[in-house]
Amino acid sequence: AQSVSQHNHHVILSEAASLELGCNYSYGGTVNLFWYVQYPGQHLQLLLKYFSGDPLVKGIKGFEAEFIKSKFSFNLRKPSVQWSDTAEYFCAVNHPRSAAGNKLTFGGGTRVLVKP
Amino acid sequence: ETGVTQTPRHLVMGMTNKKSLKCEQHLGHNAMYWYKQSAKKPLELMFVYSLEERVENNSVPSRFSPECPNSSHLFLHLHTLQPEDSALYLCASSQDIDVELDSDEQYFGPGTRLTVT
Repeated sequence: AQSVSQHNHHVILSEAASLELGCNYSYGGTVNLFWYVQYPGQHLQLLLKYFSGDPLVKGIKGFEAEFIKSKFSFNLRKPSVQWSDTAEYFCAVNHPRSAAGNKLTFGGGTRVLVKP
Repeated sequence: ETGVTQTPRHLVMGMTNKKSLKCEQHLGHNAMYWYKQSAKKPLELMFVYSLEERVENNSVPSRFSPECPNSSHLFLHLHTLQPEDSALYLCASSQDIDVELDSDEQYFGPGTRLTVT
């Protein structure tokens, strides 16, 4: 079965530091890739998504992610974080043109705490 | 009201109770989903509905019973639950379940925090 791995469960960093969150998936076929964010007390929101084309994807709030097919990875980055980026971040995958359809498989999440 | 709403936001129930979770989407979407978010485990897909028909039952115990009376509403009926069923239950919707379409982003509700005592 397909799986999604997020390597860091918790990340603590200071404002203005750079952030990179790792995400690897196991499915070998065509994939769509997503990063969702859950701010404290709020619902899951889409940060960015990759369907096709340029493997470097720009999202909201200064986030970007790079799809590296050879490494089955879709790492999330932000060059300079703010206190308001404190949240839990989830990587997710679905598989177009397969029986799985639009069923998202999520990673375990990474809790990010940005210290002011 | 816009987006995906869920009620109640918090629910405490005994193992012999029967309760229902409600989800409503105001986005004109055709597909709706139930997910379970447990502590220290990834989000797990439970059920998928497309145009009010169930298209996925992801090996969920029968004590969870979904209902989709129309494309805007989704219920999760709960009975004789176990303490390990305590979790955050999230509802989501998307335009369709066909991921050939670019508009297949899933929109999530705030969830219902369920505690089974």
